[in-house]
Amino acid sequence: EVQLVESGGGLVQPGGSLRLSCAASGFTFSNYFMGWVRQDPGKGLEWVANIKQDGSEKYYVDSVKGLFTISRDNARNSLYLQMNSLRAEDTAVYYCARYVRDTVVGNYYFDYWGQGTLVTVSS
Amino acid sequence: DIQLTQSPSFLSASVGDRVTITCRASQGISSHLAWYQLKPGKVPNLLIFTASTLQSGVPSRFSGSGSGTEFTLTISSLQPEDFATYYCLQFKSYPLTFGGGTKVEIK
Repeated sequence: EVQLVESGGGLVQPGGSLRLSCAASGFTFSNYFMGWVRQDPGKGLEWVANIKQDGSEKYYVDSVKGLFTISRDNARNSLYLQMNSLRAEDTAVYYCARYVRDTVVGNYYFDYWGQGTLVTVSS
Repeated sequence: DIQLTQSPSFLSASVGDRVTITCRASQGISSHLAWYQLKPGKVPNLLIFTASTLQSGVPSRFSGSGSGTEFTLTISSLQPEDFATYYCLQFKSYPLTFGGGTKVEIK
């Protein structure tokens, strides 16, 4: 059974840093692109970042470029999101998700998601 | 960036109703679109990928259609467990973008 379990969320002051982790199990982690998606409280979803299987390619939404860093440790089956210079607008539930390719058509999509971890940026 | 405009943003419906949600892309995205269901406190649930392919385990009352710039998610007969918020997501190009969401509530 595929499982993704996020951790590391919490309350942090503006300008602070936080590192989120996502522990993966039930599949061969090193074979998959992975990503982070966030949801503002009471608002919609926003894609944050993706990382290729070997970490050689990383993609970010403009609002977090230079502030957040996505990384992975395939030996530990873990995905990370280092968040620096946090702002109030970064307050959200952060989900990690597995990014897979449709073997028939070749399209990508997120199939499995974790339960999320809440990050609150406030003084 | 590709913008996704989802409509309606809110709808009130009864059990047994047929419900249709629309997602329009600001430029052509072929079939690079998925639909997700979100419920408070629950893990987001993939319903449809590649615009019209039903994810394994998802009830057949859910269906997706469309290509290019216009897509729809249809629930043929709304069930009590379907009251949730639904989002479309495009995977054609980075940055990946979501629609604004459609909250389906009980009439």
